[in-house]
Amino acid sequence: EAGVAQSPRYKIIEKRQSVAFWCNPISGHATLYWYQQILGQGPKLLIQFQNNGVVDDSQLPKDRFSAERLKGVDSTLKIQPAKLEDSAVYLCASRHTGHGSYNEQFFGPGTRLTVL
Amino acid sequence: QKEVEQNSGPLSVPEGAIASLNCTYSDRVSQSFFWYRQYSGKSPELIMSIYSNGDKEDGRFTAQLNKASQYVSLLIRDSQPSDSATYLCAVNTGNQFYFGTGTSLTVIP
Repeated sequence: EAGVAQSPRYKIIEKRQSVAFWCNPISGHATLYWYQQILGQGPKLLIQFQNNGVVDDSQLPKDRFSAERLKGVDSTLKIQPAKLEDSAVYLCASRHTGHGSYNEQFFGPGTRLTVL
Repeated sequence: QKEVEQNSGPLSVPEGAIASLNCTYSDRVSQSFFWYRQYSGKSPELIMSIYSNGDKEDGRFTAQLNKASQYVSLLIRDSQPSDSATYLCAVNTGNQFYFGTGTSLTVIP
């Protein structure tokens, strides 16, 4: 079974530029998460989708961050305009939800963003 | 604010010893508990999940859960240099997951 896919793996941009990250979850996983992980910290949830609907985006800086999961499968996270403090690893994770499933979530390889 | 706290570390143990990693959480209704291992520059990898009080063993790893004390731990027996990583505790409440800041473990050959 293929894992969570993310691209790009690395991105370097200048502040005030825009950037987009893509995630394809494990097949059949209805729940998709985007996390931000700053060096030395645990992952911080940015947004959670259940199919194509948003479950929780309370910690998403909506003035500059946006995310969508239009068809309930893959998802895109965008930052516009980027700030220096957005330098972090952006992790996508997915989880199967349904009868008999456990709550385990699995992470993709992440996208390391550097804002100069 | 739901919190997950881990022992601050860094933790160093000699090869072959038992490494003990601890985690406390603030939300009494939390349902599921997970340990992730994260190597430097890599994403978190799920190594253990535990849902009910008591111990759960998987190879050299044992997770322990005490919901009354709101405490979950991970024991690594016969520690190997390849176990050197940051270990993240995660707690699931409803649809949400909360992560600790991680404990860095170094196993010294």
